[in-house]
Amino acid sequence: GDKVKQSPSALSLQEGTNSALRCNFSIAATTVQWFLQNPRGSLINLFYLVPGTKENGRLKSAFDSKESYSTLHIRDAQLEDSGTYFCAATNSAGNKLTFGIGTRVLVRP
Amino acid sequence: NAGVIQTPRHKVTGKGQEATLWCEPISGHSAVFWYRQTIVQGLEFLTYFRNQAPIDDSGMPKERFSAQMPNQSHSTLKIQSTQPQDSAVYLCASTRDRGGNTLYFGEGSRLIVV
Repeated sequence: GDKVKQSPSALSLQEGTNSALRCNFSIAATTVQWFLQNPRGSLINLFYLVPGTKENGRLKSAFDSKESYSTLHIRDAQLEDSGTYFCAATNSAGNKLTFGIGTRVLVRP
Repeated sequence: NAGVIQTPRHKVTGKGQEATLWCEPISGHSAVFWYRQTIVQGLEFLTYFRNQAPIDDSGMPKERFSAQMPNQSHSTLKIQSTQPQDSAVYLCASTRDRGGNTLYFGEGSRLIVV
């Protein structure tokens, strides 16, 4: 089954609005990372999380290891926020990241 | 800091031929990961080196795929007798230590097997 399940699979946002992406884990996740893959294909690291929250500009992310989920909030969405967002988790072995299938985000003017 | 460098960016190869992909990790990073991305399977882990030693190759297809890290500044992924199903974007990433640190990806090598 899906060890890292992302939702929604796709999202269309009006510029200036807010939204949230979510990942649910069926593995015992100990760390979470969020990435944005831009149209060029580059995976840009947005957040590295142990349980807790982090904020960077218009982005905020939370990771709850007990409830096995993580969220990424986008505030005041801009056109350049368009792309595919991936979450990924490591388990206690702390080796490889297991990725979700991604959320395709399109920000409309 | 040039980031993780991957070459070639694009490669088209005929079925049955060999393909070699190169990765230069960020200087000072001791862990190197290879992932494969396809539309159907998404991002799949292939293999992982730490301090040049192979640590986990559980994602590598057992036949035809091999990876090496002969020195701290580069790793190679070799696919022998390529098949159309090997077509994918192959992504290399590095991190300071184990996978539990921020992972930095290269731009990938797009392999097309015809």
